Amino acid sequence: DAKTTQPPSMDCAEGRAANLPCNHSTISGNEYVYWYRQIHSQGPQYIIHGLKNNETNEMASLIITEDRKSSTLILPHATLRDTAVYYCIVDSGGSNYKLTFGKGTLLTVNP
Amino acid sequence: GAVVSQHPSWVICKSGTSVKIECRSLDFQATTMFWYRQFPKQSLMLMATSNEGSKATYEQGVEKDKFLINHASLTLSTLTVTSAHPEDSSFYICSAQTRGGRSYNEQFFGPGTRLTVL
Repeated sequence: DAKTTQPPSMDCAEGRAANLPCNHSTISGNEYVYWYRQIHSQGPQYIIHGLKNNETNEMASLIITEDRKSSTLILPHATLRDTAVYYCIVDSGGSNYKLTFGKGTLLTVNP
Repeated sequence: GAVVSQHPSWVICKSGTSVKIECRSLDFQATTMFWYRQFPKQSLMLMATSNEGSKATYEQGVEKDKFLINHASLTLSTLTVTSAHPEDSSFYICSAQTRGGRSYNEQFFGPGTRLTVL
């Protein structure tokens, strides 16, 4: 079973920030939080990952609470192309380690 | 970034035939490749983990004799669906993991292969 809980769907207006929450209350100290997204009929795309600190890259920002029991993925200026299923995954890292995908959040960006 | 390709992108076959799907890491060496299956409106389900030069490790409930996996080199893994039936119709996705001493799990996914068995 996935170790994360995400809302099944969210809507966002184009140009606005999309904030996608994820609960991972049983996360262990050595587990990372990963975000992937999957656009319809494509393979998943890596977005960002973090351990303790907030992270930012060209795609998104990841805000992790101090107790690490939840996180938020932020797409600062959502576009129609950001419509996808977003998966939050926790994993302890290392090589030869499988990712367990939950049901994710379907983000629909509306014009 | 690292690129993973799959071939073919889609395939239609008759029931009872075998289908081979290739997964290649184009610009990096993949010590481990993973094969996932995704049915409509469902999440990705891991089928097997494949390490170069060794036998694949299958997830519970996945028939190893039906889904043959070969990881003959650091850039190529193949999944063969033997004696395919309509219930095997699905979206098959591979991912590849790089070498290295990273503490985090870095995987790169292929674009997927849509299999339709008539």
